[in-house]
Amino acid sequence: RKEVEQDPGPFNVPEGATVAFNCTYSNSASQSFFWYRQDCRKEPKLLMSVYSSGNEDGRFTAQLNRASQYISLLIRDSKLSDSATYLCTSSNTGKLIFGQGTTLQVKP
Amino acid sequence: EPEVTQTPSHQVTQMGQEVILRCVPISNHLYFYWYRQILGQKVEFLVSFYNNEISEKSEIFDDQFSVERPDGSNFTLKIRSTKLEDSAMYFCASQGAGTNTGELFFGEGSRLTVL
Repeated sequence: RKEVEQDPGPFNVPEGATVAFNCTYSNSASQSFFWYRQDCRKEPKLLMSVYSSGNEDGRFTAQLNRASQYISLLIRDSKLSDSATYLCTSSNTGKLIFGQGTTLQVKP
Repeated sequence: EPEVTQTPSHQVTQMGQEVILRCVPISNHLYFYWYRQILGQKVEFLVSFYNNEISEKSEIFDDQFSVERPDGSNFTLKIRSTKLEDSAMYFCASQGAGTNTGELFFGEGSRLTVL
C-alpha cells in the first residue's frame, strides 16, 4: 500500500468552481501534514499546513482526520492561476513523503 | 527572502559517468534533504542529512549515491556511475533550525539527463 495516496485526476473545472481533493496516508505515526503545490517542471512549494482543527487561508481550506487517516484540500472560487499539481504530504521523522499529486486544470 | 539554490540547473552526461549535484541550503537551517522526481512520477525521498551525517535514506539511495557537506555551506549529491534510470529532476531541500517537523524549502532542482 502506498504511504500517501491521492487521486491523480486531472480535475478540469471552470473558473469560479469549488473543488476538493482528498488524500489518505497509511503511517499512523505520521506527525505533520502539508499540501504543496507544484507547477510544471518546478519545485514543490508549500501551500499550507494541515491541522486536525482545520485551517483556512483565503480560498483554501485544509482538514485532517487522524482517525480515518484522511487529509483534504478545498479550493473555493477557482482561478486560472490555481492550475497546478497539488501534492499531499505526511511527515514522521522529518522527511516528507509525497503522494503522486492531483492535477487541477482551471478553464476560463 | 532566503532560498535554496542548486547547480547545475541541467546536466547531460553519458552512462557510467560520475555526476555531482550541488546545493546551498538556507543558511541557518540544520536538516537537509535530497529528493528526485522522474518525469511524470511522484517526488521521491532519497536521503536526509543532519549534524554532518546521514540520518535516513531510502531504498533508492544505494551505494552509487553519496552526500557530503564539505564546507559548511554546500550540500552535494554524488552519483558515482550514472545509469539511464537516474535521469530525473533532483531537488535539494532544507528545513528550519531547531525542528524537523516544519516546512521543507526546495531548490529549483537540477535536471539530470543520462544518455
